[in-house]
Amino acid sequence: DTGVSQDPRHKITKRGQNVTFRCDPISEHNRLYWYRQTLGQGPEFLTYFQNEAQLEKSRLLSDRFSAERPKGSFSTLEIQRTEQGDSAMYLCASSFGGRQVYGYTFGSGTRLTVV
Amino acid sequence: DQQVKQNSPSLSVQEGRISILNCDYTNSMFDYFLWYKKYPAEGPTFLISISSIKDKNEDGRFTVFLNKSAKHLSLHIVPSQPGDSAVYFCAASGRGGGSNYKLTFGKGTLLTVNP
Repeated sequence: DTGVSQDPRHKITKRGQNVTFRCDPISEHNRLYWYRQTLGQGPEFLTYFQNEAQLEKSRLLSDRFSAERPKGSFSTLEIQRTEQGDSAMYLCASSFGGRQVYGYTFGSGTRLTVV
Repeated sequence: DQQVKQNSPSLSVQEGRISILNCDYTNSMFDYFLWYKKYPAEGPTFLISISSIKDKNEDGRFTVFLNKSAKHLSLHIVPSQPGDSAVYFCAASGRGGGSNYKLTFGKGTLLTVNP
């Protein structure tokens, strides 16, 4: 297992288009998280899955954003009708067991540019 | 409202000297603190952590100090090496409810180690 994988690494899209990102967590990790990092800021929490259940969504996740984790394995994050303010690095992380933050492992992220 | 603050956007040190990165927090519910290192175009990589029941944790060249009364922590790197050049993020998680799986990040400090 090579860690948390994210695809694509880069995405350029026109304003108003829909985009979808994929995250493959570490196989034995049952918890999966999405974060967003904008320029000059630290990562900000977006949402959290335990197995296939989405247990929390940040207020940062507007109605245009939807995340899924079918079968508790990979996850997708979709952004509908993209806006220039959606331009950011979208980070996925996974963990397993105990105090979840102990074993947090981040992927390399998907950099979204909305033009 | 920034609950985790890294007030120095950048720090430059000479190879072999000590690097000290600082972090302040405001939320007294935080009880676990982590430092992450991030290279460009990569996700954050876990470096070292400390529980609020301790005031020091050491791992090789890296030591984290926690001063709970001052709500302040610092990361010491000694000796500093050019490969340490990266953005360093301070992060915290809290107890109770869902906060023990979320990380709250500071804005990061860019460390440059000059040969």
